[in-house]
Amino acid sequence: NAGVTQTPKFRVLKTGQSMTLLCAQDMNHEYMYWYRQDPGMGLRLIHYSVGEGTTAKGEVPDGYNVSRLKKQNFLLGLESAAPSQTSVYFCASTLLGALAGGPGEQFFGPGTRLTVL
Amino acid sequence: SQQGEEDPQALSIQEGENATMNCSYKTSINNLQWYRQNSGRGLVHLILIRSNEREKHSGRLRVTLDTSKKSSSLLITASRAADTASYFCATDNYGQNFVFGPGTRLSVLP
Repeated sequence: NAGVTQTPKFRVLKTGQSMTLLCAQDMNHEYMYWYRQDPGMGLRLIHYSVGEGTTAKGEVPDGYNVSRLKKQNFLLGLESAAPSQTSVYFCASTLLGALAGGPGEQFFGPGTRLTVL
Repeated sequence: SQQGEEDPQALSIQEGENATMNCSYKTSINNLQWYRQNSGRGLVHLILIRSNEREKHSGRLRVTLDTSKKSSSLLITASRAADTASYFCATDNYGQNFVFGPGTRLSVLP
């Protein structure tokens, strides 16, 4: 099993450009999450999904959109990148969430380092 | 606002010593988890403790939970240089997601 994979690993954008980050998991997990991590801070939740075809906003959703067309994939889009979106982005998945009685252990991808100039 | 807050922000110890990190949170939780992050890598799950548990062990790790004080501690015994990493607590307040603290940076010196 590859676990959780993210592409690309690194990306440099100019202000106003758009891009899509791809997260894929092969563990048949229901829940998937996108976080951003900035220096000296923990992870902040951007968007999450509790199943195929569903998405919800997290703590810092502005400027981002997501889609979960297939259970194994969770896409994070930046329509018009801004320097404030320079960060490391992590995707994670869990088999089930706490509300569904699952253990909630999150499996993380290796991250995407994004720089917006 | 962040649910979990780790303390201290940074910790430096000698190899072989024990390392203790603390996490405080604000609201009732369903469970609390600890994660490790090596530099430049994703987070790795270490241990989960449920709200009805008080202590849990996994190898050299010992986690305690005091729901009356809304706090948890992570103890790493007989530390090794390979334990050098950032450690995060994450709380689940019966919701569909988790809130992470800012982390404790642990340096284990050989």
